[in-house]
Amino acid sequence: DSGVTQTPKHLITATGQRVTLRCSPRSGDLSVYWYQQSLDQGLQFLIQYYNGEERAKGNILERFSAQQFPDLHSELNLSSLELGDSALYFCASSVGDRYTEAFFGQGTRLTVV
Amino acid sequence: AQTVTQSQPEMSVQEAETVTLSCTYDTSESDYYLFWYKQPPSRQMILVIRQEAYKQQNATENRFSVNFQKAAKSFSLKISDSQLGDAAMYFCAYKVDNNNDMRFGAGTRLTVKP
Repeated sequence: DSGVTQTPKHLITATGQRVTLRCSPRSGDLSVYWYQQSLDQGLQFLIQYYNGEERAKGNILERFSAQQFPDLHSELNLSSLELGDSALYFCASSVGDRYTEAFFGQGTRLTVV
Repeated sequence: AQTVTQSQPEMSVQEAETVTLSCTYDTSESDYYLFWYKQPPSRQMILVIRQEAYKQQNATENRFSVNFQKAAKSFSLKISDSQLGDAAMYFCAYKVDNNNDMRFGAGTRLTVKP
């Protein structure tokens, strides 16, 4: 167990809908990273938050947004969902704002039908 | 653009034998990190080993070691005394020191035969 908790584990929703994925980092970790793992795109970095502020941005679509709350948990919001958004979404956390060693959660499997 | 290439989609090894997974990357940076991650059927991403580019010495973690060839931009993972629990997808990843945009390879599926 990495100590990073992601909920829900599975999510099935229809196209056009909006969903929120939640991540609780390890105790003491200030950074949260979001990744998307899909069959066609592989693993992609989406976004990082450090202590409540956006720190780095990767291949995140405009329909997606994230935030980190004062208690350091993070949410990834996916809207206007398309079939191609079906993927495994990972959250990882690390102590500092530099990703030298981060711990991953078990992911949320999103299926868009 | 920084890219990571894993040229072996699948590999298999006999239990207790040694296997090497290949990874090459493309970068013009001098300060960066390289990682190997394991993703078992449970799907959790587990860090296996990490290498800082400025370190000449190859990283080692128990049965896992790397062969880091900076000039050749190669970063292979050697698994010694393979165990059934080593069966998983293995991802090579790269990150520039001052940028947290991690780049992953497509992965190598490792099968361990008893």
